[in-house]
Amino acid sequence: GNSVTQMEGPVTLSEEAFLTINCTYTATGYPSLFWYVQYPGEGLQLLLKATKADDKGSNKGFEATYRKETTSFHLEKGSVQVSDSAVYFCALSLEGYQKVTFGTGTKLQVIP
Amino acid sequence: EAQVTQNPRYLITVTGKKLTVTCSQNMNHEYMSWYRQDPGLGLRQIYYSMNVEVTDKGDVPEGYKVSRKEKRNFPLILESPSPNQTSLYFCASSLKPGNHLYGYTFGSGTRLTVV
Repeated sequence: GNSVTQMEGPVTLSEEAFLTINCTYTATGYPSLFWYVQYPGEGLQLLLKATKADDKGSNKGFEATYRKETTSFHLEKGSVQVSDSAVYFCALSLEGYQKVTFGTGTKLQVIP
Repeated sequence: EAQVTQNPRYLITVTGKKLTVTCSQNMNHEYMSWYRQDPGLGLRQIYYSMNVEVTDKGDVPEGYKVSRKEKRNFPLILESPSPNQTSLYFCASSLKPGNHLYGYTFGSGTRLTVV
């Protein structure tokens, strides 16, 4: 079946540090890949996406590159801010399937 | 503003007392879905709907019902809530089934406590 594995959190970083949150996937076929962010007390918001191999999704300073050879979609940001503190979910979706498969989420805490 | 609206945001109820969590979207999306979020388990799909009058079970449908009489509304019904249904619930919608290119728009969540 399809699955998404994320690094366990929480991840604690100082402001302006470099962020990487690892995500790998297993899928039958060629999925679209997504990162969602959940700020405290809110629903999930789509952060970025990539729909084919070697695509790079980017938004709000975050980036992730669809790596088919390593089945990965790691989230990166060069300089995190306190306002980036949230839970980040990696997810995949396959054409013809009705469901999005989510990872378990990685909590990021950025301290001043 | 394009959005998915859930109500209520917080709900405390007693075991066995029927309740409904409402979900409405204003984007003319065909696809709607309910998820529950639990610590360490991530998001698990409860039910989904491909369009009006078309609903189907997700991964954890036991104890829940849904209906899709209108395109914009997708209520979640707990006929006889139990404490193991204490959770954070999210409604989500997407332009088309499959979400392959579009991703979801999520509601703000409903935190349900069953005592």
